Amino acid sequence: LAKTTQPISMDSYEGQEVNITCSHNNIATNDYITWYQQFPSQGPRFIIQGYKTKVTNEVASLFIPADRKSSTLSLPRVSLSDTAVYYCLATGAGSYQLTFGKGTKLSVIP
Amino acid sequence: KAGVTQTPRYLIKTRGQQVTLSCSPISGHRSVSWYQQTPGQGLQFLFEYFSETQRNKGNFPGRFSGRQFSNSRSEMNVSTLELGDSALYLCASKPGQGAIGELFFGEGSRLTVL
Repeated sequence: LAKTTQPISMDSYEGQEVNITCSHNNIATNDYITWYQQFPSQGPRFIIQGYKTKVTNEVASLFIPADRKSSTLSLPRVSLSDTAVYYCLATGAGSYQLTFGKGTKLSVIP
Repeated sequence: KAGVTQTPRYLIKTRGQQVTLSCSPISGHRSVSWYQQTPGQGLQFLFEYFSETQRNKGNFPGRFSGRQFSNSRSEMNVSTLELGDSALYLCASKPGQGAIGELFFGEGSRLTVL
């Protein structure tokens, strides 16, 4: 299971774009990058998943460079409700468990 | 479509007791996995069940066990509770096996051991 490293915390003002970078130097060939969001006392919620280049959905974009040793979650125009912990995971097609790191605590400031 | 339902949401036990937590996955989902979340250790994988069979188990002592029924509902049991077992226990479901794809989490069962 590839280990991921992300900043412990980040602050952002409302309306700004937030980019959270995740490092995964030993990612395996068949690993996907997945991001989850978690609010206090709730279960994590899936945000986005990708393998390479760029993936975009209605809430976020995920950028994965060609070497796949890092990835960036981009949240456009954050609001106060985006204050949460964001987890980056490297998950292999053949694995059955998710390994969550410490995550990045994002605080959105008015 | 109903989400993942966990019961009870909150419970208090004393050391040495045992506890059983229940999880009803999203209809049609056959994979159920369990996680323990504590402030110190973060989110840790306990085990995954698919079609009533345990497919994978995390690094937890044998006091932690689980099972899955034919309707995909799952239970986890912790025996001889210790203070360190106080945590938020999360259940998640998905249609198939494996870690790829979206995992749907319940709101968790908050266990306090006194």
